[in-house]
Amino acid sequence: DGGITQSPKYLFRKEGQNVTLSCEQNLNHDAMYWYRQDPGQGLRLIYYSQIVNDFQKGDIAEGYSVSREKKESFPLTVTSAQKNPTAFYLCASSIEGRLGIQYFGAGTRLSVL
Amino acid sequence: QKEVEQNSGPLSVPEGAIASLNCTYSDRGSQSFFWYRQYSGKSPELIMSIYSNGDKEDGRFTAQLNKASQYVSLLIRDSQPSDSATYLCAVSIIQGAQKLVFGQGTRLTINP
Repeated sequence: DGGITQSPKYLFRKEGQNVTLSCEQNLNHDAMYWYRQDPGQGLRLIYYSQIVNDFQKGDIAEGYSVSREKKESFPLTVTSAQKNPTAFYLCASSIEGRLGIQYFGAGTRLSVL
Repeated sequence: QKEVEQNSGPLSVPEGAIASLNCTYSDRGSQSFFWYRQYSGKSPELIMSIYSNGDKEDGRFTAQLNKASQYVSLLIRDSQPSDSATYLCAVSIIQGAQKLVFGQGTRLTINP
C-alpha cells in the first residue's frame, strides 16, 4: 500500500537533547513538507522540499533542521534550540505543482520530559 | 490580519441538519482552495478542492467560493455523527514561492 510513514508515534525529549522524527513515503511524490500543530491550532509549515538535496524554510524553521538525501525520506531534527517543542508533528507529501493536495502521515507527538 | 481565518467553534449541529463552515482569506491573488477534515488525534485528509467561483458538489459536501469577497465555505448536508471533526480551510498563496496556508480549523460536533 502506498502512503507516508512517520515514526515514532510518540517521542519524549530531554532538555538539551536533539531528536529526529522520521518520515518515509512510497507515493513517488517529489514534494515533502513538515508541519507543527499545537492544540486547537491549524498547521504551521516548518520546512519543505520540492526535490532531492534541496529544501526551504517555512514559517517557523528556527530550532529545526531537515535533510533530503533520498526522494522517499525527509527526516526532521528538533534541536535543543527549539525551546517549546511539545506539539504534534505532521509530515506530508504532494505531486510537484499540486501542493494543495497533500497526503499526511499519522503524525508524531513530541513531549518534553 | 491572519492569512486564513476560520471560526474555531465549537460548532454544534443536530444530526440530519446542514452544517455550514466558513473561511476568509487575505491574499486576493489566491487561486486554489481546499478543505481538510481532521478527526481528533489523527492527521488531516483532503475532502474538497475548489478553484473557480461558485459551488462544487461532492456527495453530501458542497464547497462554495466567492473570490470577490475572499470567502470560501463548506456545507455538509444530512450531517452524521461521523462528520464530527475539525475542518481545516487551506489556501494556496504566493509569497516568493507558492505555499499552502491553513486556517486554525473549526471543530464541528454533530449531535444525535
